[in-house]
Amino acid sequence: DQQVKQNSPSLSVQEGRISILNCDYTNSMFDYFLWYKKYPAEGPTFLISISSIKDKNEDGRFTVFLNKSAKHLSLHIVPSQPGDSAVYFCAASGRIQGAQKLVFGQGTRLTINP
Amino acid sequence: GAVVSQHPSWVICKSGTSVKIECRSLDFQATTMFWYRQFPKQSLMLMATSNEGSKATYEQGVEKDKFLINHASLTLSTLTVTSAHPEDSSFYICSATILPGQGAYEQYFGPGTRLTVT
Repeated sequence: DQQVKQNSPSLSVQEGRISILNCDYTNSMFDYFLWYKKYPAEGPTFLISISSIKDKNEDGRFTVFLNKSAKHLSLHIVPSQPGDSAVYFCAASGRIQGAQKLVFGQGTRLTINP
Repeated sequence: GAVVSQHPSWVICKSGTSVKIECRSLDFQATTMFWYRQFPKQSLMLMATSNEGSKATYEQGVEKDKFLINHASLTLSTLTVTSAHPEDSSFYICSATILPGQGAYEQYFGPGTRLTVT
């Protein structure tokens, strides 16, 4: 049962344009959401997060939007830069089986074309 | 700050042998460490949660006798893959958190260990 889903395995965007990565979740008990960036053979790097009580959080070029009613969140990167090319994982935090855990989506590979 | 290291970064071992992977928090004390596994082009799957000085909590389907976890200090957790088989070949990643009970909010990840069992 995939509780966090990233339905687009890959996304290609022109440099300078906006990249929009999407994520859906099923468990309404999740109370915190995070985006991680990952390069091959490396661990994930934290990018940005949002609490379930908010609908938007912005940090420089990165903005995360949360739509609780739709159980959907998105990451906007603008303007996109070649260095943004990586795999992006959406993660949701919640109390699962008595412990606070992170559940990851499958990841979206973002390629920024010069 | 909040750097997590893993050693080794990659290891090749023969089927039937055991392999130990270390996870260290370099500049902070980690009350909780997590071990994940990632298969190619798949998500990170949580294997177990370990708290310093106590037994690890394993996720459903993860064999605790096969994947031995020790969290002996606030800066070190180890994962030992015992009697490794080719299907154990994977990318193993650890993460650490500073605050107890806040584990999933701010996890700092190590660079991962690529295990290949021949």
